Amino acid sequence: DTAVSQTPKYLVTQMGNDKSIKCEQNLGHDTMYWYKQDSKKFLKIMFSYNNKELIINETVPNRFSPKSPDKAHLNLHINSLELGDSAVYFCASSPPEGRETGELFFGEGSRLTVL
Amino acid sequence: QQQVKQSPQSLIVQKGGIPIINCAYENTAFDYFPWYQQFPGKGPALLIAIRPDVSEKKEGRFTISFNKSAKQFSLHIMDSQPGDSATYFCAASMWGDYKLSFGAGTTVTVRA
Repeated sequence: DTAVSQTPKYLVTQMGNDKSIKCEQNLGHDTMYWYKQDSKKFLKIMFSYNNKELIINETVPNRFSPKSPDKAHLNLHINSLELGDSAVYFCASSPPEGRETGELFFGEGSRLTVL
Repeated sequence: QQQVKQSPQSLIVQKGGIPIINCAYENTAFDYFPWYQQFPGKGPALLIAIRPDVSEKKEGRFTISFNKSAKQFSLHIMDSQPGDSATYFCAASMWGDYKLSFGAGTTVTVRA
């Protein structure tokens, strides 16, 4: 039933570990995104994929690697986690007209805490 | 560099009051201005949006005012209710661009 679903919802890990967040959308959208929301609630785009092709990579450290196995899935793998990576990561998708309207459908977020 | 500037950072009003959130932009290539509402523990959700050729748009108790010459737009929440307590983000996009530029967000608290 859920349109954009992310797992896990919470993630607590030690510095230096590697972790992944998975995202799936059942809306039939072609475009998917990863956004990072920091402690001040600022939303910053990290990556965007359109039909499995990377189209936006916003000066994100190489430790972050997105993967889109198909149009409905976009995963985020993070290597060598740092304290500054602690944030809420949102997956989103948009329909074709979303390129004009800026309409995004967000998941509920994955809160990552690095200790 | 933030392309959309949003103020205030937070706002507290009494039930029935009208919180007003202001946003400004510089890039005249922006041609669509959505507002998102985010409740604690949830993802942002599209609330209302406007194009620059429209000066005002209403949806229920939410109204966007747009001043193209000043490159400013604002959200008014009429007859605000405690259930409207959330963080509100203005944003801007341009045709053909996959990237949405968000403002910094305004946390609105409506007291009963």
